[in-house]
Amino acid sequence: DAKTTQPNSMESNEEEPVHLPCNHSTISGTDYIHWYRQLPSQGPEYVIHGLTSNVNNRMASLAIAEDRKSSTLILHRATLRDAAVYYCILRVYNFNKFYFGSGTKLNVKP
Amino acid sequence: DTGVSQDPRHKITKRGQNVTFRCDPISEHNRLYWYRQTLGQGPEFLTYFQNEAQLEKSRLLSDRFSAERPKGSFSTLEIQRTEQGDSAMYLCASSQGRGGVNTEAFFGQGTRLTVV
Repeated sequence: DAKTTQPNSMESNEEEPVHLPCNHSTISGTDYIHWYRQLPSQGPEYVIHGLTSNVNNRMASLAIAEDRKSSTLILHRATLRDAAVYYCILRVYNFNKFYFGSGTKLNVKP
Repeated sequence: DTGVSQDPRHKITKRGQNVTFRCDPISEHNRLYWYRQTLGQGPEFLTYFQNEAQLEKSRLLSDRFSAERPKGSFSTLEIQRTEQGDSAMYLCASSQGRGGVNTEAFFGQGTRLTVV
C-alpha cells in the first residue's frame, strides 16, 4: 500500500493561507494524489486530486513537486469551517480502493 | 437529498448480538466501498463492490463480517457475534467508475456502533 506522511497537527489563523504538506516518496507513476478532509462527526469529503500538474478548484489548490515525491494542499483563506482532519492519499490508476493515513488535524484560530 | 445515506446513524448492541447496517449510494454510482474508523485514526478499507460484485475484501474483514450488494444498488454490512473491538464508525462511500479514471468518492455520515 502506497504510504504518505503528514504532520499530526497544524494551526492557522482565520483569513490566512494554509499550506498542508504531504510526503509520498514511494509514489509510482500511476498513483494519483488525492486529498480528503473530515469534519467532526462527518464522513470524509473530497477536496482535490491531481497526477502531475498543479490543480485548482473552488475549495483549494494542489501543488505537486516536480519529482512527485511530495505535494502541498493550499487553502487560500482559512475559515473556521476549514477546521478538520486533512488526509493525503495515493490512489492507483484503475485500482479503486484507497488508504487513509492518520491525516493532519488543522486548527483554525479566530 | 442525493448524497450517500447510511442507516442507522447510531447502534448500541450487546456483545454477541448480530447487527446489520445499510448503505444507499448515489443512484448512478456503480462502485461502493465500506470503511471502518476508530477514534483518532483514519478510515480503514474493508471491502469494495463494483455493481453487485464484491471485488475485494480486506484482511480486516473477518468471518464474522459479511457484505452484500444485491442488484448493484444498496448494500448491507452484517456483523455476527459482535465483540467490543467492533465498536467503531462504519463508513460507506460510492463513486462512478469510468474505466480506470480516478473519480472522487462520496462518503456517507457513517453508522456509529457501540458494543457493550
